[in-house]
Amino acid sequence: GAGVSQTPSNKVTEKGKYVELRCDPISGHTALYWYRQSLGQGPEFLIYFQGTGAADDSGLPNDRFFAVRPEGSVSTLKIQRTERGDSAVYLCASSQRLAGVGEQFFGPGTRLTVL
Amino acid sequence: AQTVTQSQPEMSVQEAETVTLSCTYDTSESDYYLFWYKQPPSRQMILVIRQEAYKQQNATENRFSVNFQKAAKSFSLKISDSQLGDAAMYFCATKETSGSRLTFGEGTQLTVNP
Repeated sequence: GAGVSQTPSNKVTEKGKYVELRCDPISGHTALYWYRQSLGQGPEFLIYFQGTGAADDSGLPNDRFFAVRPEGSVSTLKIQRTERGDSAVYLCASSQRLAGVGEQFFGPGTRLTVL
Repeated sequence: AQTVTQSQPEMSVQEAETVTLSCTYDTSESDYYLFWYKQPPSRQMILVIRQEAYKQQNATENRFSVNFQKAAKSFSLKISDSQLGDAAMYFCATKETSGSRLTFGEGTQLTVNP
C-alpha cells in the first residue's frame, strides 16, 4: 500500500496563529510518531501513539503543542500561538509494533515556517 | 536517556570509492537497536541498515555495512562502490528494545563526486 503521507507539504503562517499538521500512517500500523527536525539537526521525538492514546508525550516542548489520533489512524499535530522558534520540518512515522525492532516508516514531512 | 554523536558534519567521496561515516552513542540499556537512515533533499527518511545490539555479527545490506563495536559504543557505516544516488544526509539513531522513540545524531552530509 501507500507509504506515510503528510499534509500540507509546506505551511507558512504568522506569529501567533494556530496551525494543524496532518499525518496519514501506513494502513494497519498501530504505532504513530511525531518528530521535529530543526534546520541542520537530527529529528527530535515529540510524541507517539499506540492506537488512539498518546503513550508518551514527553517530547512535546510546551502546552502550545498538542496531538490527537481519534480513530487510531490519522493523526493531527496542533500548534497554538505559533512562535518563530517553531519553524522546522515536522516528520511523522508509523510502525506495526511499538516495542522491539518496530521499524519506523517516515513521511516526507511538513515544513512549517513562522514569520 | 540515550545520546548519539556524529562528529563529521560533512564527508565527500569519489564515485566508486568507499567511505565510512562515524557514530558513537551512549545508553544505559543492555538491549537496544541501532540504525542508519538516509535523508535526501526530498526530506523522506529512508532506513539504510539496522543492527540488533545483542548480535555480534555486523549487519550488511548490499553495498552498505556497519562496524559495530559494542564495548566502545561505536556504530560506523561503510558505503562501498559509492554512487551518485548515495549523496544525502545520513543519520545514526538508537532505540531501546523496550521503548519506541528513536534518538538521532546531528547527521553527516555526504557528497559523492563524479
